[in-house]
Parts: sequence; structure tokens; C-alpha cells
Amino acid sequence: ETGVTQSPTHLIKTRGQQVTLRCSSQSGHNTVSWYQQALGQGPQFIFQYYREEENGRGNFPPRFSGLQFPNYSSELNVNALELDDSALYLCASSLESGTPLHFGNGTRLTVT
Amino acid sequence: KQEVTQIPAALSVPEGENLVLNCSFTDSAIYNLQWFRQDPGKGLTSLLLIQSSQREQTSGRLNASLDKSSGRSTLYIAASQPGDSATYLCAVTSNTGKLIFGQGTTLQVKP
Repeated sequence: ETGVTQSPTHLIKTRGQQVTLRCSSQSGHNTVSWYQQALGQGPQFIFQYYREEENGRGNFPPRFSGLQFPNYSSELNVNALELDDSALYLCASSLESGTPLHFGNGTRLTVT
Repeated sequence: KQEVTQIPAALSVPEGENLVLNCSFTDSAIYNLQWFRQDPGKGLTSLLLIQSSQREQTSGRLNASLDKSSGRSTLYIAASQPGDSATYLCAVTSNTGKLIFGQGTTLQVKP
């Protein structure tokens, strides 16, 4: 049984650019959530996908968007990057909403 | 709006000491509460999950309690070891599956 894997592990982008982060869910998990964790802070919920449909969103602007694919892997896309988008982005999968989450090691995004 | 607070923000103890980390939340309508461990630059590892109907959970040297009515949870670590050094995060799960995290307590256990 493989765990949650995220790619890339580190990324440096320039303000105004676009970025795509990827996540492979743990085997058998159909729900994926994305979180943003700024330095020294707790993770903040971005959105959740269940069977390819978004079914919950946190307080993030529309330039944060996502996709979930038929194999339940997922992407997080961020357009028009801002300096404050620099953070660790965490993906978590679960069997269904409300069950224990399994987190990946995250993607460290730096916006310069 | 649910808010989760963790106290203290940082803690340094000598090896072998028993310690308690505190977590409070403002809305008692939670699905469950989880304690996570995070090592520097890494993802989160789930330590204990307490369902809203439960009062406590134990795993090895860790014991977590939940008092929904007062909006509090504690994580008790017995006989602390240097390997316990990490950031500990408390999170409540809403009925929609969204996790709301506290800011964490960074623990250092000195040999």
C-alpha cells in the first residue's frame, strides 16, 4: 500500500507566474484535500475533492483551482502567483469525508 | 466561525519529563479531533483521533482527551524522549470533513 505522494518537493516561481502541484492519493482513497501552510502557522484548508467533484472550499481566491482525476490523483493550480503564496502545500487523502486523513510530505513553493 | 488555539506555542523540557499540550476550540459541533506530529519541512503524521462521542484515546506513551462541552483537548506525553521533538498540531474536523488546525506547539526535549 503506497502512501500519499506529492511532486515536486520544492519549486521556485516568480510573481505573476502560474504553478501546478500534483498529488497521488493513497491506494483506495477517493477523497483528497489541499492545505496551505505558511511558515510557523497551522495548515489552512484550500479545498476538497470527492470523486472528481469539489465538495468544500476554504477562504481562498478563485486563482486557486483544482482537479481530481478518475484515478483519484489530484492537481492544485495557482494562477498569478503572489509573494504571500510562498508556503508548504500539503495534500491529504482519505477513504471518504470525515475519515482519518493521510498527508503527503508537501511541496515547498517559494515565490520571488 | 471555528477557531482552534494551542498553548503553549513552544515548550522545552528535559528528557524523561511528562508533559501536557493544550488545544481549545470555539465551536463544539465537531465530527472528531485529531492530534498530528510534524517534523521540520515534512508532512503531518496522525497520532491520535478522538471521535466526538469519545472522551480519550491512547497510543503508547501518548494520551489525548476531549471535552466537547468546554471546547478543550489535551495531549499528554509520558516520559518524553529527544525523538519526541517536533511540532504538534491539533485539528478539529467539521461535519463536511474540513480540518481546522491550531498553530501548533513546538516541543524540544533536551537530552
